[in-house]
Amino acid sequence: EVQLVESGGGLVKPGGSLRLSCAASGFTFSVYTMSWVRQAPGKGLEWVSSIAGSSNTYIHYADSVKGRFTISRDDAQNSVYLQMNSLRAEDAALYYCAREDYGDYYFDSWGQGTLVTVSP
Amino acid sequence: EIVLTQSPATLSLSPGERATLSCRASQSVSNFLAWYQQKPGQAPRLLIYDASNRATGIPARFTGSGSGTDFTLTISSLEPEDFAFYYCQHRTNWPWRTFGQGTEVQIK
Repeated sequence: EVQLVESGGGLVKPGGSLRLSCAASGFTFSVYTMSWVRQAPGKGLEWVSSIAGSSNTYIHYADSVKGRFTISRDDAQNSVYLQMNSLRAEDAALYYCAREDYGDYYFDSWGQGTLVTVSP
Repeated sequence: EIVLTQSPATLSLSPGERATLSCRASQSVSNFLAWYQQKPGQAPRLLIYDASNRATGIPARFTGSGSGTDFTLTISSLEPEDFAFYYCQHRTNWPWRTFGQGTEVQIK
């Protein structure tokens, strides 16, 4: 069974930093593109960033986070990370880790999310 | 950047009724469109990919159709567990992963 478990969320001041982690199990982690998708309270889904699996080499960021967020992965640890710097109020959201499949760019498995709150 | 517009924003129906949800793209996305279901307090779940293919384990009452700019998600007979939010998403071009704003299917 595919499992994705996020951690690392919390309360941070504007301008602060946070590192999110996602631990994966139940599948061959290294071959899959992994992503972060966020959802502000009461709002819709917003893709944040993706990092390709072993068959590819790309890293993608949404314009809203480019230059502030960094995605990385450790295939030995079956984990993907999101380093978030220079956080803004509008970054406050539930951050989901998601696996891409069906030819990439579709999210076929999701974690339960970790909440990031940005407030003075 | 291609924009996806979902309609209606809210659909009020009774269990057993047919639900028809629309997703319109600002330009052609070919058939590169997915549908997700999200229940309150839960993560989204992939229902349909490439416009009409059901993801693993998705019941047959969920049907996706359309191509180009107009797409439909049909739920043939609403079960109590189908009342939720539904989002479409395309993967045609950069940023490759854009969602619509969502449709809520609520109990009438």
